[in-house]
Amino acid sequence: QKEVEQNSGPLSVPEGAIASLNCTYSDRGSQSFFWYRQYSGKSPELIMFIYSNGDKEDGRFTAQLNKASQYVSLLIRDSQPSDSATYLCAVKREGGFKTIFGAGTRLFVKA
Amino acid sequence: GAVVSQHPSRVICKSGTSVKIECRSLDFQATTMFWYRQFPKQSLMLMATSNEGSKATYEQGVEKDKFLINHASLTLSTLTVTSAHPEDSSFYICSAARAGGDSYNEQFFGPGTRLTVL
Repeated sequence: QKEVEQNSGPLSVPEGAIASLNCTYSDRGSQSFFWYRQYSGKSPELIMFIYSNGDKEDGRFTAQLNKASQYVSLLIRDSQPSDSATYLCAVKREGGFKTIFGAGTRLFVKA
Repeated sequence: GAVVSQHPSRVICKSGTSVKIECRSLDFQATTMFWYRQFPKQSLMLMATSNEGSKATYEQGVEKDKFLINHASLTLSTLTVTSAHPEDSSFYICSAARAGGDSYNEQFFGPGTRLTVL
């Protein structure tokens, strides 16, 4: 079992729709959870991080965390073609900075 | 703030040569830097964790004698790929964790270096 699992996609949604990206993790000691966006040929850029159960909203993005289910998701509202990228889920144990990345989900937003 | 640079952005070299990649935190001090490798359509794979003034910690399966890491200061870490071979061709990305940050602090990624070994 991979430490961080994501559906590789591609996930295709029409412009203006909600894109839902999911991630599960195996280490119950994970404390911090991150979503990164990576455009082709570029390095990842942080979208959001979350460490408490529940929802965290930032603009069009909402991260959801359920530690009991070891599940974290990212919702993108009003999806735009510019949101088309690979989204990486990452988790980290408390203390230190070693972060484990999932393989990423490719998102296509059709104009 | 929190800008990380990498140099070079792209390098093409012949098999058997060594290549040095620099990673710099431009506006903050980084106690810890990380080196990742990413093959096409795959996720980031952590190669090693580098702490200023001490030896790097390598992940399982990463040859420390082939991938030399030096973290000479709080703003600079270098990765040297020694005797590079075509299978070392990849996208190498560094990241830096800010000194004094809390445990939730994210890593700041450099723009990456595309290495092609002929």
